[in-house]
Amino acid sequence: GAVVSQHPSWVICKSGTSVKIECRSLDFQATTMFWYRQFPKQSLMLMATSNEGSKATYEQGVEKDKFLINHASLTLSTLTVTSAHPEDSSFYICSARTGNRYEQYFGPGTRLTVT
Amino acid sequence: AQTVTQSQPEMSVQEAETVTLSCTYDTSENNYYLFWYKQPPSRQMILVIRQEAYKQQNATENRFSVNFQKAAKSFSLKISDSQLGDTAMYFCALAGGTSYGKLTFGQGTILTVHP
Repeated sequence: GAVVSQHPSWVICKSGTSVKIECRSLDFQATTMFWYRQFPKQSLMLMATSNEGSKATYEQGVEKDKFLINHASLTLSTLTVTSAHPEDSSFYICSARTGNRYEQYFGPGTRLTVT
Repeated sequence: AQTVTQSQPEMSVQEAETVTLSCTYDTSENNYYLFWYKQPPSRQMILVIRQEAYKQQNATENRFSVNFQKAAKSFSLKISDSQLGDTAMYFCALAGGTSYGKLTFGQGTILTVHP
């Protein structure tokens, strides 16, 4: 149980284009989803927190107009990187939790390469 | 603000031996949870073990156990009978009462198990 999927697992896009990453909770209702960014051999950096049906809360320093997050249902959240640039190349990970539980279940991650 | 510190960037151990990874944290919350996550080369985050702060008994999961010292704000992970599959980056993480489920991660420790 508690499986989170991400799609795509790897995406290459050209500079200036937008790319959407999907995060789905497969066997539970995710009341809260989180989006992280991770550089090689570094820790996870929280980008934003989203609750179903509400606007996402972004961490300080994260551009909300560049990283659009939508949490339209209890099983799906999307992260859209708009007008991507090479510096946006990174590993993006989503996680989800249900109810008031503190435990987060992580997706397998998406490797984004912007050329 | 909550902080988590892992002071060992890299550790190595021989197969079948025991290794301990260190973690210290700081929080003003009375109710919080501590976690150890494992990130193998696949980069999928896997929950290794969880400790609830109000429980005095140290958590154990098969070969994995923790030494939770609440007064010292220390939360170390012991891996017994190390296996090659334990090779991964290990993250200590904290979730506190007012953080709305957000995890604060340590910097991570890269563990290599040698045959």
